Amino acid sequence: KAGVTQTPRYLIKTRGQQVTLSCSPISGHRSVSWYQQTPGQGLQFLFEYFSETQRNKGNFPGRFSGRQFSNSRSEMNVSTLELGDSALYLCASSVGQGQQTQYFGPGTRLLVL
Amino acid sequence: GESVGLHLPTLSVQEGDNSIINCAYSNSASDYFIWYKQESGKGPQFIIDIRSNMDKRQGQRVTVLLNKTVKHLSLQIAATQPGDSAVYFCAETPSGGGNKLTFGTGTQLKVEL
Repeated sequence: KAGVTQTPRYLIKTRGQQVTLSCSPISGHRSVSWYQQTPGQGLQFLFEYFSETQRNKGNFPGRFSGRQFSNSRSEMNVSTLELGDSALYLCASSVGQGQQTQYFGPGTRLLVL
Repeated sequence: GESVGLHLPTLSVQEGDNSIINCAYSNSASDYFIWYKQESGKGPQFIIDIRSNMDKRQGQRVTVLLNKTVKHLSLQIAATQPGDSAVYFCAETPSGGGNKLTFGTGTQLKVEL
């Protein structure tokens, strides 16, 4: 069974631009969560989607948003990029909600110049 | 001054020795705990999990111990191999927290030949 896939793997943007990242969960998994990983803050939860609905949200500004499609694929969007948004963005999928084992993708490395 | 990054504790072990990686958590409501391994350039890889109704759980070459009284979690790796070199993270989530994981800062494990 294929693992979690994320596209693109690497991205370079400039301040003020917006970016959309994509995540395809493991087949049969219906929950997708997003995390940001930086050297300064470590791994931080962004949001969780299940059945096309946001179920949980972390402490990030409204510039960070996401959505989930009927096939469980998810996208996250960051608008008005700031230098501090440079990070590894990780997507994780699980079968369902509620303390399920989450499996991570390889991440998208975003560099904001 | 501004922090340039989280200081990752490092554990150096000889190949073949046992490794013990520790993690303290602060949320007494957390009742599901997971250990992840992250190699350079990759996403976190699930190792083992444990729920709060257990004190110990064993996998292949790994054992997780949970002490709820002092809010402490440990990961023991038997017969450590060079391929075990990575950053290890503990993560937790409380009941009702969905799939929102709170991660520790991580421990760098270095296996010396």
